[in-house]
Amino acid sequence: GDSVTQMEGPVTLSEEAFLTINCTYTATGYPSLFWYVQYPGEGLQLLLKATKADDKGSNKGFEATYRKETTSFHLEKGSVQVSDSAVYFCALPNFGNEKLTFGTGTRLTIIP
Amino acid sequence: NAGVTQTPKFQVLKTGQSMTLQCAQDMNHEYMSWYRQDPGMGLRLIHYSVGAGITDQGEVPNGYNVSRSTTEDFPLRLLSAAPSQTSVYFCASRAQRRVNTEAFFGQGTRLTVV
Repeated sequence: GDSVTQMEGPVTLSEEAFLTINCTYTATGYPSLFWYVQYPGEGLQLLLKATKADDKGSNKGFEATYRKETTSFHLEKGSVQVSDSAVYFCALPNFGNEKLTFGTGTRLTIIP
Repeated sequence: NAGVTQTPKFQVLKTGQSMTLQCAQDMNHEYMSWYRQDPGMGLRLIHYSVGAGITDQGEVPNGYNVSRSTTEDFPLRLLSAAPSQTSVYFCASRAQRRVNTEAFFGQGTRLTVV
């Protein structure tokens, strides 16, 4: 079945550091791929998405490129801020598109 | 815009009690889902629905019931609460029309079973 493997956390970085959170997937076909973010005490919200191979999703300085050959969708940001502290989830829809499968989440803490 | 509304935000139950977690969305989305979030486990799908009158089991359905009598509402029932059901519960909705549509989440219900 579909699955998402996400980089284990927690991750702690200093402000302005470079961030990478790894995500690889197993799926039928070539699904859309999503990164969701969960700020403390809140529900999940979409951070970015990519709908086909080689697409790059971007938002709020974050980027992720859909790599079909490596089945990966790694999240990157060039210079993180304290406000980026949150839990990040990689996700993909199943073949029938009725549901989403999530990775285990990566907790990111940015220290000033 | 209300989006997805979950109630209550917090709940403490005794073992064996029953309760219903409410979820409502005002975006006319066909798909609705319930997830539970546990440390180190990510989000796991409990039940989902592709439209009014249609529900199906997800990854961890035991101990939970759902129904979908209207497009807007998708309540989750705990029949006889157990400590293993202590978790944070999220309801989500998505539009059916395109495969790249995002899911919208409620704020969550933190449930403790003692």
